Amino acid sequence: GQNIDQPTEMTATEGAIVQINCTYQTSGFNGLFWYQQHAGEAPTFLSYNVLDGLEEKGRFSSFLSRSKGYSYLLLKELQMKDSASYLCAVRDYVSRDTGFQKLVFGTGTRLLVSP
Amino acid sequence: GAVVSQHPSRVICKSGTSVKIECRSLDFQATTMFWYRQFPKQSLMLMATSNEGSKATYEQGVEKDKFLINHASLTLSTLTVTSAHPEDSSFYICSARDVRRSSYEQYFGPGTRLTVT
Repeated sequence: GQNIDQPTEMTATEGAIVQINCTYQTSGFNGLFWYQQHAGEAPTFLSYNVLDGLEEKGRFSSFLSRSKGYSYLLLKELQMKDSASYLCAVRDYVSRDTGFQKLVFGTGTRLLVSP
Repeated sequence: GAVVSQHPSRVICKSGTSVKIECRSLDFQATTMFWYRQFPKQSLMLMATSNEGSKATYEQGVEKDKFLINHASLTLSTLTVTSAHPEDSSFYICSARDVRRSSYEQYFGPGTRLTVT
């Protein structure tokens, strides 16, 4: 079956660093995505990992270990506007011809940043 | 670039009626479009995938006769919820990609909040 686990909720203070973990068990693996979603809005793309290791993009970094079925999103220098849900999604299947790809989403981690 | 719009952003309809949701890619050609549904505090669940000019591929458990998808052009896809019931009330999000431009990127619309009374 498909299973993606994330903590339900995390809290942190402004200026701090927070790490959001994601473990997955999917039938296929063609990359892992992290999205940010504010309440009532669409997800916005943060990062994509397909090979093991760390991808850094400004205040956000994402790490992947395929052998462990594990990823994390690291947010540095937290700001109030970072309060949102963070979704981990695995691309389970992709067809390079048709464009079809299936993303399996975790339930998301709700991050609350306090002053 | 890569903007996806949805219309309407919110809709309230009565039980038994149909409602149409539009999804447009504004500055790129969407070879593939995806429709997701998200219930409160739950994950996004893929409902169906469509390629322009082709029939949609529905995920297991999604009724194709109830959720009609039309991907008429490279910039427009519509989702029609037929004979809506209160349990269809949800947040519907479309997503689009241009397979010729990127190997993985998928751009999401702002979502449509459907409430069936």
